[in-house]
Amino acid sequence: KQEVTQIPAALSVPEGENLVLNCSFTDSAIYNLQWFRQDPGKGLTSLLLIQSSQREQTSGRLNASLDKSSGRSTLYIAASQPGDSATYLCGSLFNYGQNFVFGPGTRLSVLP
Amino acid sequence: EAGVVQSPRYKIIEKKQPVAFWCNPISGHNTLYWYRQNLGQGPELLIRYENEEAVDDSQLPKDRFSAERLKGVDSTLKIQPAELGDSAVYLCASSLTLSQPQHFGDGTRLSIL
Repeated sequence: KQEVTQIPAALSVPEGENLVLNCSFTDSAIYNLQWFRQDPGKGLTSLLLIQSSQREQTSGRLNASLDKSSGRSTLYIAASQPGDSATYLCGSLFNYGQNFVFGPGTRLSVLP
Repeated sequence: EAGVVQSPRYKIIEKKQPVAFWCNPISGHNTLYWYRQNLGQGPELLIRYENEEAVDDSQLPKDRFSAERLKGVDSTLKIQPAELGDSAVYLCASSLTLSQPQHFGDGTRLSIL
């Protein structure tokens, strides 16, 4: 079964700290992996998409890496701010069946 | 560029009643997705369209759920009859193609009494 997991489920950090969110997928045959943020009562906002041939993508203070062989991706947030507080979800498009599967998310709180 | 538009934002109905959700994707986006999200969980794919063709509906409970995408643009998702377990947020997303980033609407929060 194709599954995506995220650790930790919740994380609380002081403002200014650098942090890493983890995403794992059971099947290394993926087409791409996408990171999103979700604010309460809202839909998902796309942050970064990494194609299977890429190792990482960067946007501002965000950097996402992909290691297909180990089935892992990380989202690095530099110099965190209270406005970064949200739930962060990763999702993977698996080659077999072309299924897009989400992880359960990590709820991030950045304290002023 | 206008985003994905969903309506209604909230819907409260009694069990066994029918309900419908509407989605207008970003113009030019060929791929359209319907997801269901339960509290504290990631979205679960219900159905995916490529233009007007449903290419992945394996997770759609076909005894009570139906969907259509007319002319490859707007889409509706229907539940008839609704059950208590259908309470969730229903999200619509679209992308240029399957391999491109997905863009989400704000969802419809459904409550079944």
